Amino acid sequence: GDSVTQMEGPVTLSEEAFLTINCTYTATGYPSLFWYVQYPGEGLQLLLKATKADDKGSNKGFEATYRKETTSFHLEKGSVQVSDSAVYFCALSEDTGGFKTIFGAGTRLFVKA
Amino acid sequence: SAVISQKPSRDICQRGTSLTIQCQVDSQVTMMFWYRQQPGQSLTLIATANQGSEATYESGFVIDKFPISRPNLTFSTLTVSNMSPEDSSIYLCSVEAGNTIYFGEGSWLTVV
Repeated sequence: GDSVTQMEGPVTLSEEAFLTINCTYTATGYPSLFWYVQYPGEGLQLLLKATKADDKGSNKGFEATYRKETTSFHLEKGSVQVSDSAVYFCALSEDTGGFKTIFGAGTRLFVKA
Repeated sequence: SAVISQKPSRDICQRGTSLTIQCQVDSQVTMMFWYRQQPGQSLTLIATANQGSEATYESGFVIDKFPISRPNLTFSTLTVSNMSPEDSSIYLCSVEAGNTIYFGEGSWLTVV
C-alpha cells in the first residue's frame, strides 16, 4: 500500500541555518504531495503542496519539489527562524475511489537563537 | 480552503465516561474525516464520514467505540465511548476541498 517515510528527528539547527527534511513515498498511482506543520499546542496547518511531477510548492520561505523519478518531496528552507520550531509532516493523497491521506511519522524541528 | 471549528478544544475526562466532539465547517463539504494523534505520534485515520451514509471505519476502529454522526454537509460529531487512559489523544476533524485535506485545531483529550 501507499506509504510516506520521513527522516527521523529531532532536527536541531541554529537560527539562519539551511533546513532540509527528507521525505520519500511509495504509491500505486499519481498522488498529490503535502507538507503540514504543527506548532506547539496547535492543530495541523497545510504548509505547501504539489499535485504533479516537477511541481514546486512554496510558502513562508519553505519549498518542496515533487520528484517522481526519486519518489521524493524534500522540504527546504534557506534560513530558519526560531518561530519555525514545530513538527513537520509529509503526506500524500490519492483519489482511488475513496479519498485518503497518508501521513509520515513527523519530524520535530528545534531552532536555537 | 475551509475553516473548521472543533469543540471542545480541551477536556479532562474520567475513565468510563463518553465525550462527544463537534466539528463545524464554514462551507458544504462531501467528505469529512476523523483522525487521532496520540502523544508524540503521527496521525491515524479513524473513519470517513459522508453525509447520508454510515461512516467507514479504518482497521482497528469500531463504531461502538467511536460512533460518528454526519447530519448535514457542514457538521459532524465523533463520540469517544467508555474512555480509558489509552484514549488520551488529540482528535482532529478534517475535510477534503480541492483534493487537499484541511484540519481543525483539534480536541485535546486527557483521560484520568
